[in-house]
Amino acid sequence: GQQLNQSPQSMFIQEGEDVSMNCTSSSIFNTWLWYKQDPGEGPVLLIALYKAGELTSNGRLTAQFGITRKDSFLNISASIPSDVGIYFCPSRSGGSNYKLTFGKGTLLTVNP
Amino acid sequence: GAVVSQHPSWVICKSGTSVKIECRSLDFQATTMFWYRQFPKQSLMLMATSNEGSKATYEQGVEKDKFLINHASLTLSTLTVTSAHPEDSSFYICSASGGSRTGELFFGEGSRLTVL
Repeated sequence: GQQLNQSPQSMFIQEGEDVSMNCTSSSIFNTWLWYKQDPGEGPVLLIALYKAGELTSNGRLTAQFGITRKDSFLNISASIPSDVGIYFCPSRSGGSNYKLTFGKGTLLTVNP
Repeated sequence: GAVVSQHPSWVICKSGTSVKIECRSLDFQATTMFWYRQFPKQSLMLMATSNEGSKATYEQGVEKDKFLINHASLTLSTLTVTSAHPEDSSFYICSASGGSRTGELFFGEGSRLTVL
């Protein structure tokens, strides 16, 4: 079956630092979605990527869809305390049903 | 746009009772909704796919008689945990896709169930 890996599993950084995390898959993705989950909340969509090589920004966040369609990275610049949370890049299957399968995520801690 | 809302956000019930959780798409029609559960410090696990006007499709290992799903309209899906037990205590999250932002999936705020 499809394998989805997120790295790193956790990160501890100082406020103001930039951070990068990535996802790799054993299968090709047609769409790559990045989510952030705050404690006790549902995941919130940060960035959606649709084309291989696509580079998209959302404020301090930048994400890129790998050329091979098997990987993606998310960068956060000038981190702030509210960036704390778990970041997910779920794999998608099921054709038009958009069924998502979540990996373990990357836990980000930002020290003020 | 693309707002998904769940109710209640938290519920405490006695063992043996049933609990219903609602998931609504507020500004778009969702032909498909998904139900996930999440245990502390773990990832989201897909329970079932809810299709409007038809039976839900359950993931392997999820008891359909235990977790009843109804998707009676394009904006509402409900999850009923029947005869709840303490091991059913979890964070339940729904998601939906639809509207103009096809290809994207939006999540509700989640519902924390505690069974005493």
